[in-house]
Amino acid sequence: NAGVTQTPKFRVLKTGQSMTLLCAQDMNHEYMYWYRQDPGMGLRLIHYSVGEGTTAKGEVPDGYNVSRLKKQNFLLGLESAAPSQTSVYFCASTLGGEQFFGPGTRLTVL
Amino acid sequence: EDQVTQSPEALRLQEGESSSLNCSYTVSGLRGLFWYRQDPGKGPEFLFTLYSAGEEKEKERLKATLTKKESFLHITAPKPEDSATYLCAVQASGQNFVFGPGTRLSVLP
Repeated sequence: NAGVTQTPKFRVLKTGQSMTLLCAQDMNHEYMYWYRQDPGMGLRLIHYSVGEGTTAKGEVPDGYNVSRLKKQNFLLGLESAAPSQTSVYFCASTLGGEQFFGPGTRLTVL
Repeated sequence: EDQVTQSPEALRLQEGESSSLNCSYTVSGLRGLFWYRQDPGKGPEFLFTLYSAGEEKEKERLKATLTKKESFLHITAPKPEDSATYLCAVQASGQNFVFGPGTRLSVLP
């Protein structure tokens, strides 16, 4: 089992560009999450999904959109990137308790 | 509003010097408290889940305990490979998790 994978690992964007981050899990987990991690602030929840076709807002959802068309995939989109979105993004999945995290995507917005 | 704080922000220990990390939480209806370890450049890795006050879990040199307002991660005789950031998280209502800012632990040989 690969667990939770994220693509890409690194990305540099210019302000105003768009991109999609992909998260995939092979553990048949119902729940999936997108977090951002900034120095000194820990992990902050952006959006999450409790099942295929459903999504919900977390603590910091502005500027991001998500989709869960297939149970194993959770996509995070940035429609118009801003420098404030420079961060490390982590995806996680769970059956309902402990979360399994991906390796992260380091995004820089210039 | 659910909140999690951790102290200290950073901790330096000599190899073999035992200590404790603190996680304080404010949550309405705790469903679970989780400890994770995070190495630089990697995603968090699950360590423990605690569900009710008085519960304890152990794994090698680590022991996690839980009260109604806080949790402690005790590190006994740490080794340099225990150096990492330790994150605490709480699960309140639904499937929402709130993380603390973490404690950066350095264990010097």
